[in-house]
Amino acid sequence: KAGVTQTPRYLIKTRGQQVTLSCSPISGHRSVSWYQQTPGQGLQFLFEYFSETQRNKGNFPGRFSGRQFSNSRSEMNVSTLELGDSALYLCASSKGHNYEQYFGPGTRLTVT
Amino acid sequence: AQSVTQPDIHITVSEGASLELRCNYSYGATPYLFWYVQSPGQGLQLLLKYFSGDTLVQGIKGFEAEFKRSQSSFNLRKPSVHWSDAAEYFCAVAPGSNYQLIWGAGTKLIIKP
Repeated sequence: KAGVTQTPRYLIKTRGQQVTLSCSPISGHRSVSWYQQTPGQGLQFLFEYFSETQRNKGNFPGRFSGRQFSNSRSEMNVSTLELGDSALYLCASSKGHNYEQYFGPGTRLTVT
Repeated sequence: AQSVTQPDIHITVSEGASLELRCNYSYGATPYLFWYVQSPGQGLQLLLKYFSGDTLVQGIKGFEAEFKRSQSSFNLRKPSVHWSDAAEYFCAVAPGSNYQLIWGAGTKLIIKP
């Protein structure tokens, strides 16, 4: 069974730009969660989608948004990038809410 | 507020020695409990989980963890570490089936040759 895939793996953007990251969950998994990981703040929950609906949201500004498609693939978007948005963005899928999560390798975003 | 504490930011262990990583949580009822491992430059991999039942759970890579309700702890153990165990370990707690995971800050494991 294929694992969680995230594209792109690495990304360099300039402050003020916007970026879209993609996540394909494990087949049959309907829940997709997104996390931001930085050395200073650790793992921080961004949002979770289940069956195309945002079910939970973390404490991030509105510049961070996401969506989920009918095939469970998910995208997250960050608009008006700031230097502090440089991080590893991790996507995790699970069969349902709070079953064990399976993580992708992450997208390393660098904002210059 | 619910929280997860991993009191050790770094732990250094000699190869072949035993390992215990600590995790404490604050929550009234018995939550769902998880340990994940993250190797450098990688995503997180589930090591083991506890939902209910036997309080000693076995995971992958020779790891085990014990849930102690009286101490609100879920410590991770391994009898003999290998150099490939060098990674960062995260404890996570889900208060229930309709809540998001709450993550500890992680413990970085360093293996001495």
